[in-house]
Amino acid sequence: GAGVSQSPRYKVAKRGQDVALRCDPISGHVSLFWYQQALGQGPEFLTYFQNEAQLDKSGLPSDRFFAERPEGSVSTLKIQRTQQEDSAVYLCASSARQGTNTEAFFGQGTRLTVV
Amino acid sequence: KNEVEQSPQNLTAQEGEFITINCSYSVGISALHWLQQHPGGGIVSLFMLSSGKKKHGRLIATINIQEKHSSLHITASHPRDSAVYICAVRSWETSGSRLTFGEGTQLTVNP
Repeated sequence: GAGVSQSPRYKVAKRGQDVALRCDPISGHVSLFWYQQALGQGPEFLTYFQNEAQLDKSGLPSDRFFAERPEGSVSTLKIQRTQQEDSAVYLCASSARQGTNTEAFFGQGTRLTVV
Repeated sequence: KNEVEQSPQNLTAQEGEFITINCSYSVGISALHWLQQHPGGGIVSLFMLSSGKKKHGRLIATINIQEKHSSLHITASHPRDSAVYICAVRSWETSGSRLTFGEGTQLTVNP
C-alpha cells in the first residue's frame, strides 16, 4: 500500500479481554515502531523492530503487552487482560532504514477504549 | 522535566494571523521532527531538521542546535491549519532511532 495501515481503527474492549492490533508498514521498510498516545498527551515509545528482530521493548508498560513481527513486515501488538488504563491511541510508524536521519511514516492509529 | 517541551499548549488564532509554536529539548539530537495530527489520530510528518531552516508552502521550521530550540511558523493561517502540532526528537542518546515527543500544541484557527 501507499502508506502505513493500521487495523482496526477503533476497538472497544471489555476489561479483561485480550486485543490484537495490526500494523502494515510501507513495503520494504526495515524499521517499525509502536507508540502509545494517551488522551491529550504526546505519543510514548513502546517497542521497536528492525526487520523481524525486536531490538527494544523497554517502553512496554507491563508483561500484558506483547509485540511481534515474525516475517519482518506486518506487526501485531497484543494486549492481554486489558485494563482501563490501556485506553489510548496506538500508533505504528515505519522507516525505510535504521538511521538517525530517516523519516518516519505514521499510520492512522488504533483507538482502544477499555470499558 | 520532559525531554521535549512545547509551548504554548493551546493556541487560538484568527484566520490570516502569523503563528509560532516553540519546542525546547534537553538531549543531544540527530534530528528534530515537526508533525501534524488531525482529529482521528493520524500523524503527518511536516519537517525533519538537523540544522538551519526549512520552508514548505506557508510553513517554516527553524532549529538552533546550540540553544536546543526549534520553532514552527505558519504564515497566513487558515482554519484548515487547525490541528495538534507535535515536536519530536531523534536522540543519539537512545537506541533504535526512536522518537521522543512533546505533548503537542493544539492550534485552532477561527475564520
